[in-house]
Amino acid sequence: KQEVTQIPAALSVPEGENLVLNCSFTDSAIYNLQWFRQDPGKGLTSLLLIQSSQREQTSGRLNASLDKSSGRSTLYIAASQPGDSATYLCAVRAGGAQKLVFGQGTRLTINP
Amino acid sequence: EAGVAQSPRYKIIEKRQSVAFWCNPISGHATLYWYQQILGQGPKLLIQFQNNGVVDDSQLPKDRFSAERLKGVDSTLKIQPAKLEDSAVYLCASRRVRGPVTGELFFGEGSRLTVL
Repeated sequence: KQEVTQIPAALSVPEGENLVLNCSFTDSAIYNLQWFRQDPGKGLTSLLLIQSSQREQTSGRLNASLDKSSGRSTLYIAASQPGDSATYLCAVRAGGAQKLVFGQGTRLTINP
Repeated sequence: EAGVAQSPRYKIIEKRQSVAFWCNPISGHATLYWYQQILGQGPKLLIQFQNNGVVDDSQLPKDRFSAERLKGVDSTLKIQPAKLEDSAVYLCASRRVRGPVTGELFFGEGSRLTVL
């Protein structure tokens, strides 16, 4: 059974810092991994999708990496801004039905 | 393109009452998902449709939850009777099956249910 873990559960950093969010998964047989952002009371917004054959994806100040063999992904946020404050979730697609399994998320706070 | 639409956004009911949530996926998206997200947790898959057929409903509490996707477009999720532990946000998501980016999931704003 695929399990996804995100550590830490919460992170608070000053504005302007570069930071890394971590995601680990137990079964390396995945189709892809997706990072989402969730603002309070809102749905999930897709940030980056990494296919199993890829090592990383970049979008603006965001860079996501994937190491299938070690079961890890990281989301790197450069030059953090208060507007980046949100909960960040990673999810892996695996299994015959290509089920998307989520981690519990990291709640990020960027302090001005 | 228009996003995933869900309604109602908020619903408050008493335990043992029934409730229904509606989802309209992005046009052309064959796969539709319903997730349950309890406060402080990641979303948990309840049911996955491919067109109007069920692909995975292994985590759907079938004694009280039901879902359908008529004509392979809109979907409805029903809870009857509701329990206190059903208080959560119910998220609908859709995914294009064929095309340049077939894996990406798009979510609606969610329907927040409070059971008193």
